[in-house]
Amino acid sequence: SQKIEQNSEALNIQEGKTATLTCNYTNYSPAYLQWYRQDPGRGPVFLLLIRENEKEKRKERLKVTFDTTLKQSLFHITASQPADSATYLCALAAGSSNTGKLIFGQGTTLQVKP
Amino acid sequence: KAGVTQTPRYLIKTRGQQVTLSCSPISGHRSVSWYQQTPGQGLQFLFEYFSETQRNKGNFPGRFSGRQFSNSRSEMNVSTLELGDSALYLCASSPGPETSYEQYFGPGTRLTVT
Repeated sequence: SQKIEQNSEALNIQEGKTATLTCNYTNYSPAYLQWYRQDPGRGPVFLLLIRENEKEKRKERLKVTFDTTLKQSLFHITASQPADSATYLCALAAGSSNTGKLIFGQGTTLQVKP
Repeated sequence: KAGVTQTPRYLIKTRGQQVTLSCSPISGHRSVSWYQQTPGQGLQFLFEYFSETQRNKGNFPGRFSGRQFSNSRSEMNVSTLELGDSALYLCASSPGPETSYEQYFGPGTRLTVT
């Protein structure tokens, strides 16, 4: 069956360091992968989308890589700040016909300590 | 532009009752998706609507239903509520299939079934 896995354990890092979050998937051939941020009691907020033919994408302090051979995406936050503390979710859609149907990982909670 | 709005924000119902949740997408967005979020199962896709038609449906029982109106607003209904239906119900909108892949989530409706 299709499965998306993220580090279930919380990630604790010191302010200023780079946070790296992992998203692995099986039995998927996704056309693209997305990353969202979710704060407690709020809906997820879209951060980045990377397509299957892209290896890397950047937005300010965020960087996402996508390795379709390894079936893995890495999400990096450089120069992390306490305000980056949140749960980060990766999401996949199986194909262009499923754009509104996202399958989410369980999320990784990031805690950045000052 | 105003974001996605969901009403009500909080709801307490008794087992066996039914409930209707409402979602107003971002102006100009024509696609609406619904998700259920629980601590145990994470974010799970319920259904997606575009132009008043259901495009995709998740693996939920028939007690869960939805619809979309001509102004793109959407409602979802859960009949014969069970304790396990207690969750955060999230609505997300996007411009439409094939035009944009990221989804914009509302704040959610917190449903508690007693």
